[in-house]
Amino acid sequence: KAGVTQTPRYLIKTRGQQVTLSCSPISGHRSVSWYQQTPGQGLQFLFEYFSETQRNKGNFPGRFSGRQFSNSRSEMNVSTLELGDSALYLCASGRDRGYNEQFFGPGTRLTVL
Amino acid sequence: GIQVEQSPPDLILQEGANSTLRCNFSDSVNNLQWFHQNPWGQLINLFYIPSGTKQNGRLSATTVATERYSLLYISSSQTTDSGVYFCAGTQGGSEKLVFGKGTKLTVNP
Repeated sequence: KAGVTQTPRYLIKTRGQQVTLSCSPISGHRSVSWYQQTPGQGLQFLFEYFSETQRNKGNFPGRFSGRQFSNSRSEMNVSTLELGDSALYLCASGRDRGYNEQFFGPGTRLTVL
Repeated sequence: GIQVEQSPPDLILQEGANSTLRCNFSDSVNNLQWFHQNPWGQLINLFYIPSGTKQNGRLSATTVATERYSLLYISSSQTTDSGVYFCAGTQGGSEKLVFGKGTKLTVNP
């Protein structure tokens, strides 16, 4: 069974631009969550999606948004990029919601210049 | 929300040594997991251990849910064990994993 895939793996953008990251969960998994990892803040929760609905949102500005499609694939978008958005973005896949093990993708490393 | 405290923050070992990593939670958690972050940043699942004890080769883990802590044991450490180890848990019916700050393990040859 294929694991969680994330594209692109690396991305370089400039301030003010916007970016879209993609995550495909493990086949049969319906839950996708997104995390941001920075050296200063560690791993921070961004969003949780289940059955195309955002179920939970972390403490991030409105520039960060996401969605989930009917095939459970998810995208997250960051608009008006700032230097502080440089981070590793990880997505996690879960079979259901609430009581299950989650599996992470390889991440997208975003650099904002 | 829950707070997750991991100790020690840094650990340096010689190859072949044993170690214990600890994770304390401020409140009851579900779905406790241990991860190893590889050099490329991916979080690799080590254990899904809401309670009890599990073993996988040289690694084992124990979670005492009633006392809100979990332990990860690494025996006969190897240089490939180096990296950052994270524990994380969820609350209620949410998928939101709350992570500790990690333990950075360095195993020297």
